[in-house]
Amino acid sequence: AQSVAQPEDQVNVAEGNPLTVKCTYSVSGNPYLFWYVQYPNRGLQFLLKYITGDNLVKGSYGFEAEFNKSQTSFHLKKPSALVSDSALYFCAVTDRGSTLGRLYFGRGTQLTVWP
Amino acid sequence: EAQVTQNPRYLITVTGKKLTVTCSQNMNHEYMSWYRQDPGLGLRQIYYSMNVEVTDKGDVPEGYKVSRKEKRNFPLILESPSPNQTSLYFCASSFEGTGGTQYFGPGTRLTVL
Repeated sequence: AQSVAQPEDQVNVAEGNPLTVKCTYSVSGNPYLFWYVQYPNRGLQFLLKYITGDNLVKGSYGFEAEFNKSQTSFHLKKPSALVSDSALYFCAVTDRGSTLGRLYFGRGTQLTVWP
Repeated sequence: EAQVTQNPRYLITVTGKKLTVTCSQNMNHEYMSWYRQDPGLGLRQIYYSMNVEVTDKGDVPEGYKVSRKEKRNFPLILESPSPNQTSLYFCASSFEGTGGTQYFGPGTRLTVL
């Protein structure tokens, strides 16, 4: 069965410091991996995805994520955090062999960046 | 503007009173989905549709119905709502060309008393 784990409910970091939001996954085949962000009282916005190719994926707002097949991880990173990055972040996965409509989300990680 | 729209955005209702939340996308996407978001549980997929007249259950389909009679619309129907269906609901759409990237609507906050 497909699943996603975000082991940290909360991540707190000072502005200007690097940030990491962790994600591990389990799929029966090869994964498509996604990160979405949700700002307060808003819908989800797409940040970045891994489909194939380079393991380091760059996305919106200076975020990047590294696909690690051996560790089944897809951690979200940013070299220098901004207060405006404070939001709820979701990792999601689908199996390339199954329908692309079937997406599995983690429980979310609340990122707080303090000034 | 390419978008997914949902109506209503907010709804307070009572147990047992049938309701429909509409979802429409103007991007000609094949795939559409419904999710519910609950604190500590993340997003859970209720139903999804691969194309017109093709739907399938997600993780939490009990108590919900969907239909896909037109490509652009994917309404969510609660025949007899109960308080445990109080939640924030999101509709999303995608197509093969996006590699599964889903575009989300603004959400519908439903309260069932």
